[in-house]
Amino acid sequence: EVQLVQSGAEVKKPGESLKISCKGSGYSFTSYWIGWVRQMPGKGLEWMGIIYPGDSDTRYSPSFQGQVTISADKSISTAYLQWSSLKASDTAMYYCARREVVAARLDIWGQGTMVTVSS
Amino acid sequence: QLVLTQSPSASASLGASVKLTCTLSSGHSSYAIAWHQQQPEKGPRYLMKLNSDGSHSKGDGIPDRFSGSSSGAERYLTISSLQSEDEADYYCQTWGTGIQGVFGTGTKVTVL
Repeated sequence: EVQLVQSGAEVKKPGESLKISCKGSGYSFTSYWIGWVRQMPGKGLEWMGIIYPGDSDTRYSPSFQGQVTISADKSISTAYLQWSSLKASDTAMYYCARREVVAARLDIWGQGTMVTVSS
Repeated sequence: QLVLTQSPSASASLGASVKLTCTLSSGHSSYAIAWHQQQPEKGPRYLMKLNSDGSHSKGDGIPDRFSGSSSGAERYLTISSLQSEDEADYYCQTWGTGIQGVFGTGTKVTVL
């Protein structure tokens, strides 16, 4: 079964760092892009950025450039989203999703990781 | 600028049909889009990719009552024989330059 499994919920304080993960299985992890999407409480989906684990080509949305870092470790089929200094406004659900290279379908989604930032 | 416009809400009775619209901004009428469903308290699920000519490719296990069509800059998702589990938010999504994802604001479907 093709799936993306994300790491569990996190509760952090402002200023702390965080790295959440998204592990792919059931397919060739290096042959698809992995994107990250933010959903703030009660709001819609926002595109954050994407990485191609095959060569680590990474593209950020202008809204998130410099705010987060996207990376991947292809040896363990895992993509990451990290913050160096969290803010309360980073409180949200974060989803990873797989993007096909040619057909460009965002066809498999992770179950989401809830990040809560509160003092 | 590439923008996807969706109505905030739609509703229809159980067993009826509902048609959702996603409108591409000026200059982008040839773009393909995808529809994603997000049921309450769940993550999104890919429904289908919809091309400008109306051809579409659905995700695995997506029921036949979900269909897509296109006209000009508008992309449609029709849900026939509405079921209670179809009550959800529906997002359209496309790609901008440099593999930048773009989402519509979503349409909340209520089953009456």
